[in-house]
Amino acid sequence: QVTLKESGPGILQPSQTLSLTCTFSGFSLSTYGMGVGWIRQPSGKGLEWLANIWWDDDKYYNPSLKNRLTISKDTSNNQAFLKITNVDTADTATYYCARIGAYPGIFDYWGQGVMVTVSS
Amino acid sequence: DVVMTQTPVSLPVSLGGQASISCRSSQSLVHSNGNTYLHWYLQKPGQSPQLLIYRVSNRFSGVPDRFSGSGSGTDFTLKISRVEPEDLGDYYCLQSTHFPYTFGAGTKLELK
Repeated sequence: QVTLKESGPGILQPSQTLSLTCTFSGFSLSTYGMGVGWIRQPSGKGLEWLANIWWDDDKYYNPSLKNRLTISKDTSNNQAFLKITNVDTADTATYYCARIGAYPGIFDYWGQGVMVTVSS
Repeated sequence: DVVMTQTPVSLPVSLGGQASISCRSSQSLVHSNGNTYLHWYLQKPGQSPQLLIYRVSNRFSGVPDRFSGSGSGTDFTLKISRVEPEDLGDYYCLQSTHFPYTFGAGTKLELK
């Protein structure tokens, strides 16, 4: 059974760095073809893809966030991470991690999401 | 970036009826490997998105055959027949042929 769960700070101030953790089970990020992606959703709005990391440590980022993103993984502990630097109120959203599994480029299982608020 | 235009924004339906959602992309979603990476998700109220259809027309595990996907190139459709209460929510298309991945803006399926 594949499960993912996001964790984060809940609230942070503008200009700080947001650090998110995705803890998963039921698959390994050392398995060929596996990956994890991060997607966010402001309240009442649509979905925005942020970044992917694959089993071979290949990484892709959404250029709209202009080099503010860093994705990484800890294969031995079944975790993936996302950092967003220099946050502002526009980064207030629910952040999801999702598995890229048996089918390339497809988020097949999602976490429940973690809400992050940026406020002074 | 590939722009995904999803219509309608809101779709009132009757239980037992049929619904059709369109997703058009600003460029072809055919990958150089020949696959088309266009997928459909349902986000029920208060939940995370769940995969319904992957690569245009393939139902994900456990998805009832009331859901079907079709299309090619830049024009795609999700059809839901015999709508049930658990089908209500927000539907999104996603293209993962080109980076950055992009989602449609969503279609709210609601009761008429």
